[in-house]
Amino acid sequence: GENVEQHPSTLSVQEGDSAVIKCTYSDSASNYFPWYKQELGKGPQLIIDIRSNVGEKKDQRIAVTLNKTAKHFSLHITETQPEDSAVYFCAARVMEYGNKLVFGAGTILRVKS
Amino acid sequence: GAGVSQTPSNKVTEKGKYVELRCDPISGHTALYWYRQSLGQGPEFLIYFQGTGAADDSGLPNDRFFAVRPEGSVSTLKIQRTERGDSAVYLCASSFTMDTEAFFGQGTRLTVV
Repeated sequence: GENVEQHPSTLSVQEGDSAVIKCTYSDSASNYFPWYKQELGKGPQLIIDIRSNVGEKKDQRIAVTLNKTAKHFSLHITETQPEDSAVYFCAARVMEYGNKLVFGAGTILRVKS
Repeated sequence: GAGVSQTPSNKVTEKGKYVELRCDPISGHTALYWYRQSLGQGPEFLIYFQGTGAADDSGLPNDRFFAVRPEGSVSTLKIQRTERGDSAVYLCASSFTMDTEAFFGQGTRLTVV
């Protein structure tokens, strides 16, 4: 089945700097890649997603890139702010396996002010 | 409601007891998912409903776990003969259709003592 690996496990940046989180997936059939932000005691919140027919997508300070050949995708956050501090999860969806999302292990992002 | 609602938010039960966890999806969403999240890990898929039927239950760990969605809206996850290893946050998500973005509830934290 699908396996998603996420790096780094923790990331500390200075306020205003950029943060990059990378994920790799194993199943070339995956065609949908969302990113979720999870704050303490809350459920995951979708922040951006990308489908396999697109190489890059941006939404204000957040962007996601996808390299289908290499089977990896990345989250880029620019001009980081203290409120960006949270756990970020990448995921991949394998449609042929019933639409379930397979998640990475998460990245703890700390933005120091 | 505006989002996915899960009740209770916290549940403490004794080993061997039976528990039910409830999920109210976003109104009009046909797809509903249950995930389990252990401390420091990403959510792991349990079961997916399309309408009233379980389209994929491959993530249920054993036959102590069962879920229903009798009217295609509210879903209940049922766990029999609970074990300490069942302690985790149980997350519910819903999406408008099977290939649109999934929105998560805040989760139910289950503690088996």
